[in-house]
Amino acid sequence: NAGVTQTPKFQVLKTGQSMTLQCAQDMNHNSMYWYRQDPGMGLRLIYYSASEGTTDKGEVPNGYNVSRLNKREFSLRLESAAPSQTSVYFCASHITGSSYEQYFGPGTRLTVT
Amino acid sequence: QKEVEQDPGPLSVPEGAIVSLNCTYSNSAFQYFMWYRQYSRKGPELLMYTYSSGNKEDGRFTAQVDKSSKYISLFIRDSQPSDSATYLCAISPPQAGTALIFGKGTTLSVSS
Repeated sequence: NAGVTQTPKFQVLKTGQSMTLQCAQDMNHNSMYWYRQDPGMGLRLIYYSASEGTTDKGEVPNGYNVSRLNKREFSLRLESAAPSQTSVYFCASHITGSSYEQYFGPGTRLTVT
Repeated sequence: QKEVEQDPGPLSVPEGAIVSLNCTYSNSAFQYFMWYRQYSRKGPELLMYTYSSGNKEDGRFTAQVDKSSKYISLFIRDSQPSDSATYLCAISPPQAGTALIFGKGTTLSVSS
């Protein structure tokens, strides 16, 4: 099992450019999440998907869109990148019925200049 | 008041020291309490969890929950340089299908 995989690992964008961060999990988990992590701010939830076909906003959804393509894949899109979106982005998955364990991907380091 | 508060540190200790990491939370309905460990440039990984009140021990690590004071702790005995990482507390809301709530994380450095 690869667990949770994310692509790309690193990305540099110019202000106004768009991109999609990809996430996939092979653990048959129902729930998937996108977080951003910034120094001093901890992990902040952007969007989550409790099950295939559903998505919900988290704490900081502005400037982002998501797609739950199927049970395995959950993508995060930046339509018009801004320097404030410079961050490390983590995808995570979680099996429904387990109240405590999320599995995280290795992260994508995004810089917007 | 945020639902979970955690002192970000940083915390620096010598090898062999006992380390205490702490969080407070606001909602008495929370039942599952977790500690995640995150090494530099990696994703967080679950270290330990406890359900309701009490202690749970795993080797050099002890997780403790005091629901009366809404306080959770992680103790590390005989700390090692390999314990150097950021430790995040997390709480599971009682509503099904909702996301975990994370503290901001405490960065620990253990020097040899």
